Amino acid sequence: DVQVEESGGVVAQPGGSLRLSCAASGFTFDDYSMHWVRQAPGKGLEWVALVSWDGHYTHYADSVKGRFTISRDNSKNSLSLKMNSLTTEDTALYYCGKEGSWGAVDVWGKGTTVSVSS
Amino acid sequence: EIVLTQSPDSQSVTPMETVTITCRASQPIGTSLHWYQQKADQSPKLIIRHASQSLSGVPSRFSGSGSGTDFTLTINSLEAEDAATYYCHQSSSFPQTFGQGTKVEIK
Repeated sequence: DVQVEESGGVVAQPGGSLRLSCAASGFTFDDYSMHWVRQAPGKGLEWVALVSWDGHYTHYADSVKGRFTISRDNSKNSLSLKMNSLTTEDTALYYCGKEGSWGAVDVWGKGTTVSVSS
Repeated sequence: EIVLTQSPDSQSVTPMETVTITCRASQPIGTSLHWYQQKADQSPKLIIRHASQSLSGVPSRFSGSGSGTDFTLTINSLEAEDAATYYCHQSSSFPQTFGQGTKVEIK
């Protein structure tokens, strides 16, 4: 089965840091770009970041640029999101997603919850 | 940043009716537009990619159309299991963006 599974979500303090991870299985990981998408409680989907198949190119939403870093380790079929300078606005369910044909996200994980609170 | 505006925000529909959801982009995006279905307490699921391309395993009552700035998701003969929030997503340029979502409820 093609799967991605997120981990690392916790309660963090404003100004703090956190690293989310995503483990991929069932597909050739280094053939595909990967995304992070988040969803604040009761809100819609917000695209966060993308990393190219080889890790050479990264793109970010304006709301996280300069604070979050997306990266991947193709030897471990693993995706990461390093989150710095957290604010309460970063509280959300964070999804890892595989990019498929035409740029659509065709595989989604169950998400990991980040709560930023003092 | 390309803004995607969906309409309506919500819709209450009787089973067997046809549902039409529109997604308007703030600038042309070709056909780099995808649709997702998110049921309550579930992860999003891709149902249409590249504006109109159907996916294996997705019921044929779901269809998409459009190009440029105006796109449509149509659900024919709505079934109770189609109750969900639907999102459009553009991958034409960075930052990628999602529409605000359209909630479809069953009467």
